[in-house]
Amino acid sequence: QQPVQSPQAVILREGEDAVINCSSSKALYSVHWYRQKHGEAPVFLMILLKGGEQKGHEKISASFNEKKQQSSLYLTASQLSYSGTYFCGTERATDSWGKLQFGAGTQVVVTP
Amino acid sequence: ETGVTQTPRHLVMGMTNKKSLKCEQHLGHNAMYWYKQSAKKPLELMFVYNFKEQTENNSVPSRFSPECPNSSHLFLHLHTLQPEDSALYLCASSQAATEKLFFGSGTQLSVL
Repeated sequence: QQPVQSPQAVILREGEDAVINCSSSKALYSVHWYRQKHGEAPVFLMILLKGGEQKGHEKISASFNEKKQQSSLYLTASQLSYSGTYFCGTERATDSWGKLQFGAGTQVVVTP
Repeated sequence: ETGVTQTPRHLVMGMTNKKSLKCEQHLGHNAMYWYKQSAKKPLELMFVYNFKEQTENNSVPSRFSPECPNSSHLFLHLHTLQPEDSALYLCASSQAATEKLFFGSGTQLSVL
């Protein structure tokens, strides 16, 4: 079962912040975050593991709330290069290894 | 360049044709994956191979037949496809199942 991402899209001005959420109804082992620019392959940002701490990649960070089975991706002081579609991928604790299911994606547009 | 190469980049085929997609990774990884990306739908996991053994078939129709002759190469054999199979097919690899994915640029498939 795919995780649910919100919002579907967000438009930001350069320097503004945004939060993208990824939720699952099942217990998770890990959450991955990827960014895909138009016409390109998805690129890995970070992994959060069950019991793990908040991670960061440049001014992009993420957290994982085990009680809620929810991960949040924080885009801080956004730059034009942050534009793209952000996907979360989740591995459930009960699934076979490598069964990473992706959310529908959040389209982020950063304007000057 | 992610170290994962997919060929061809574009493919147009009729419903009665047989074709194959090829993926090669130069990263020394042990796990390889096929994902399908359709417009306005989440990335769909199709197959997972771990150390050349198929560990996941995500209820994919038999008209898609994967082959993994070694840890560096992955094929997707296609036959009697339907127009709804038109999509971007992405190959990915990882050092081990559960670790971060490196995606290829994909094959854009159109079924007429």
